[in-house]
Order: sequence, then structure tokens, then C-alpha cells
Amino acid sequence: GDSVTQMEGPVTLSEEAFLTINCTYTATGYPSLFWYVQYPGEGLQLLLKATKADDKGSNKGFEATYRKETTSFHLEKGSVQVSDSAVYFCALSDHYRTFGTGTKLQVIP
Amino acid sequence: SAVISQKPSRDICQRGTSLTIQCQVDSQVTMMFWYRQQPGQSLTLIATANQGSEATYESGFVIDKFPISRPNLTFSTLTVSNMSPEDSSIYLCSVVLGAEQYFGPGTRLTVT
Repeated sequence: GDSVTQMEGPVTLSEEAFLTINCTYTATGYPSLFWYVQYPGEGLQLLLKATKADDKGSNKGFEATYRKETTSFHLEKGSVQVSDSAVYFCALSDHYRTFGTGTKLQVIP
Repeated sequence: SAVISQKPSRDICQRGTSLTIQCQVDSQVTMMFWYRQQPGQSLTLIATANQGSEATYESGFVIDKFPISRPNLTFSTLTVSNMSPEDSSIYLCSVVLGAEQYFGPGTRLTVT
């Protein structure tokens, strides 16, 4: 079946550091790919998405490129802030079933 | 966009009892989902609850254990029945509006 593998956390970075959170997927067909963010005490929120190969999703300084050849959708940000501290989930569109395990990011001043 | 509220936000329950979780959405939506999020694990879809039809349960989840009601387009309940410590988890309500999926803040359930 479809699956998503996400790098384990927690990830601890200093403010202004470069962030990469790895996500690879297994799927039949050509799914859309998503990154969700969950701030403490809140529900998951859509951060960005890409609907086809080579698409780049971007939002709030975060980017991820849909790489069909490597079946990856890694999340990147050039300079993280303390306010980016949250849990990040990679997901794919298979009738809303498949999410990664989440990667906790902690950014320290 | 859709704003989702859940009640209760957390609860501690005795084994063998039942808890009903409420989900309220500020928009009318057809597609609604219930998930379980266990510590360190991904979200697991329990069931899809579309208004006007019976809930559709995923493999490993049954109606007797997790009965769901969907009386209208803005509200749903999930009951966790005859609870055991293994049911300790965060339960999430989610909807699809337009092309986007929205999530509630979750209900943190601890079964002792």
C-alpha cells in the first residue's frame, strides 16, 4: 500500500540555521504531496503542497519539490525562526489515509 | 477555510467506560474524518463520516467500538466504547472544504 517515511526527530536547530526534513513516499499512481504543520495545542495546518512531478510548493519561507525520480518531497527552509518550532507531517493524497510520523522541530534562540 | 472545534480537549477515563467526542465545524462540509494519533506515530484514519450515509470504517476499526454520528453538515460525534488503556491517544476530527483538508485541535484521551 501507499506509505510515507519521514525522518525522525526531534530536530534541534539554532535560529537562522538551514532546515531540511526528509520525506520519501511509496505510492501507486501520481499522488499529490503535502506538508502539514502542527503548533503546540493546535490542529494540523496545511503548510504547502505539490500536485505533480517537479512542482515546488512554498509558503512562509518553506519549500518542497516533488521529485518523482527519487520519490521524495523534502521540506527546506533557509533560515528558521523560534516561531517555526512545531511538528511537521508529510502526507500524500490517497483518500486522506497516509501521513508520516511527524518530525518535531525545536528552534533555539 | 474551516475552523474546527472539539470537545472535550482532554479527558481521563476509567477502563470499561465510554467517551463521546464532539466535533463542530464553522462551515457546511460533506466529507468529515476521524483519526487517532498515538505518541510518536502517524495519524491513523478511523473512519470517514459523510452526512447522509453510514460511516465507513478502516480496517481494524469497527462500529461497535467507535460508533459515529453525523446528524448534519457541521457536526459529528465519535464515541470510544468500553475503553482500555490501549485507547489512550489523541483523537482528531478533520474535514475537507474545497481542495483543502482542515483539522481540529484534537482530544487527548487517557484511559486508566
